[in-house]
Amino acid sequence: QQQVKQSPQSLIVQKGGISIINCAYENTAFDYFPWYQQFPGKGPALLIAIRPDVSEKKEGRFTISFNKSAKQFSLHIMDSQPGDSATYFCAASKDDKIIFGKGTRLHILP
Amino acid sequence: DGGITQSPKYLFRKEGQNVTLSCEQNLNHDAMYWYRQDPGQGLRLIYYSQIVNDFQKGDIAEGYSVSREKKESFPLTVTSAQKNPTAFYLCASSIDRAAPQPQHFGDGTRLSIL
Repeated sequence: QQQVKQSPQSLIVQKGGISIINCAYENTAFDYFPWYQQFPGKGPALLIAIRPDVSEKKEGRFTISFNKSAKQFSLHIMDSQPGDSATYFCAASKDDKIIFGKGTRLHILP
Repeated sequence: DGGITQSPKYLFRKEGQNVTLSCEQNLNHDAMYWYRQDPGQGLRLIYYSQIVNDFQKGDIAEGYSVSREKKESFPLTVTSAQKNPTAFYLCASSIDRAAPQPQHFGDGTRLSIL
């Protein structure tokens, strides 16, 4: 009930390509779904977030797609750049509870 | 600039020793958190505090202790009872814990065993 399953564990994408990371949750009470970006030796930083009342949110090259009925959400990175190489975490939260996925290591080939 | 400061960046612990990791925030946030990050494990919650002088255990609190005497500060002590302390420790804060909103993270402390 409390898990957030994230896939893939690692991802290699050519520069200019689209990077896609998927997450699935079980608890339908979750009402806030953020994505965090983490560079080596640094703490995670909020990248983009979505509430379940919308199906898509776009900020620059980053888009969250949200499928409430399937309890799935995904991060799309358009025109992926080498500077996007990092670890990405999805999360789901409700009130005082936040659950993180296990992370995806993204590497963009130059 | 507002943010979260964790110190030290690297810390080494000897057998049987307690060590304390510092976390200070100037964001005026009520809620603060400690997470442990291991490769391939994501972030696991150790302790959290919603208000001064109050804190709650997270999912992996055994072998750790915290205090919250000031709003700005939430130090974590890794005790000798924690048999596998080698990890990357992250402190975070949020405005409050009662509503969905982003967490702000520090840059972590990497703890290793000597």
